[in-house]
Amino acid sequence: GAVVSQHPSWVICKSGTSVKIECRSLDFQATTMFWYRQFPKQSLMLMATSNEGSKATYEQGVEKDKFLINHASLTLSTLTVTSAHPEDSSFYICSARLELGTDTQYFGPGTRLTVL
Amino acid sequence: QKEVEQDPGPLSVPEGAIVSLNCTYSNSAFQYFMWYRQYSRKGPELLMYTYSSGNKEDGRFTAQVDKSSKYISLFIRDSQPSDSATYLCAMSDGKFYFGSGTKLNVKP
Repeated sequence: GAVVSQHPSWVICKSGTSVKIECRSLDFQATTMFWYRQFPKQSLMLMATSNEGSKATYEQGVEKDKFLINHASLTLSTLTVTSAHPEDSSFYICSARLELGTDTQYFGPGTRLTVL
Repeated sequence: QKEVEQDPGPLSVPEGAIVSLNCTYSNSAFQYFMWYRQYSRKGPELLMYTYSSGNKEDGRFTAQVDKSSKYISLFIRDSQPSDSATYLCAMSDGKFYFGSGTKLNVKP
């Protein structure tokens, strides 16, 4: 199956700092990638849809100035949490959309962010 | 009403049992149907995807789609403790919709 990587797998930072998370599709090109947030024992919450070469589309209630998304190439999307605060602590998961013969998403392993 | 409904469980079964996981949906435009498995603190892993009504089998897993009833199922035969995870259904009509996930516990 298609492989999506995420880096880092976990990060601890101080309040007020910015954190960048990378999402890469390793063996296929993805014009669309998605960013999700997941709280413990809860389902995935879509934050934004990232399209290569254009601005991301954010879901209602997600601050685009706080969660900066860049999809600079067909294999890389980044999520930057700016001026992170403890309430931003969560599990962030990206996925890449594969539309060749099907329409599905392949997920990365996730990044656990803890803001102190 | 949610686009996709999935019983959150938890579902607890003995090892070796046949497990049936289900989702219902309301949008007849859904064309692609997926099942994901998510272990704790990991990203979801794609298990099965189907396009049309009918059954698709892969090892111990069988995905079933009934478009007329707007109902999809995932069957796990000879369930193992390693199958203990949360199972998410997902559907697409160009936009993706996920179920809330069913937590499965297979007891040794």
